[in-house]
Amino acid sequence: GENVEQHPSTLSVQEGDSAVIKCTYSDSASNYFPWYKQELGKRPQLIIDIRSNVGEKKDQRIAVTLNKTAKHFSLHITETQPEDSAVYFCSLGGNQFYFGTGTSLTVIP
Amino acid sequence: DGGITQSPKYLFRKEGQNVTLSCEQNLNHDAMYWYRQDPGQGLRLIYYSQIVNDFQKGDIAEGYSVSREKKESFPLTVTSAQKNPTAFYLCASSSGARNYEQYFGPGTRLTVT
Repeated sequence: GENVEQHPSTLSVQEGDSAVIKCTYSDSASNYFPWYKQELGKRPQLIIDIRSNVGEKKDQRIAVTLNKTAKHFSLHITETQPEDSAVYFCSLGGNQFYFGTGTSLTVIP
Repeated sequence: DGGITQSPKYLFRKEGQNVTLSCEQNLNHDAMYWYRQDPGQGLRLIYYSQIVNDFQKGDIAEGYSVSREKKESFPLTVTSAQKNPTAFYLCASSSGARNYEQYFGPGTRLTVT
């Protein structure tokens, strides 16, 4: 199947700082790139997504950038808050969905 | 959140027993998926179905079986052939197989002893 690499696996930031998570992939046919947030013991929930005809998308403090040529996309969270602490997964949409291994983000108050 | 349910939330079984996990959605979605999540790992696809009466194996289908007799239901059976079945199982649905958001159920935590 598709290989999706996600980095870093853990990330700690001070409240108010920015956090960046990056994913790389190999399937050039993918054209849908969602990001999910999963709190402990809960279901993953979509926080932002981007399609291949767009290079960047922003929703308040969250943004995603996509470089299809280099086959990587990144999640950017600005002005982090303690409630941003969770595990974040990148994903690729194709005939089936592929997920990165997750980034555990801790925002330190 | 609403629209896709899984039951039960916690399930305990003895080794050697088959067990079936329920997944129901009322979102009128065509596609449904089963994932397995182990601690510190991402979601791994077990099976998916893009339409009623049709389904495909994912990356880790061995020891699992599914059926898709109704659009709204996609039960997963964990058989005794699955060597390490203890995990968190997530069901998801989407309106199409490509380019559409997946909605996840609340998950079932299966423990086999």
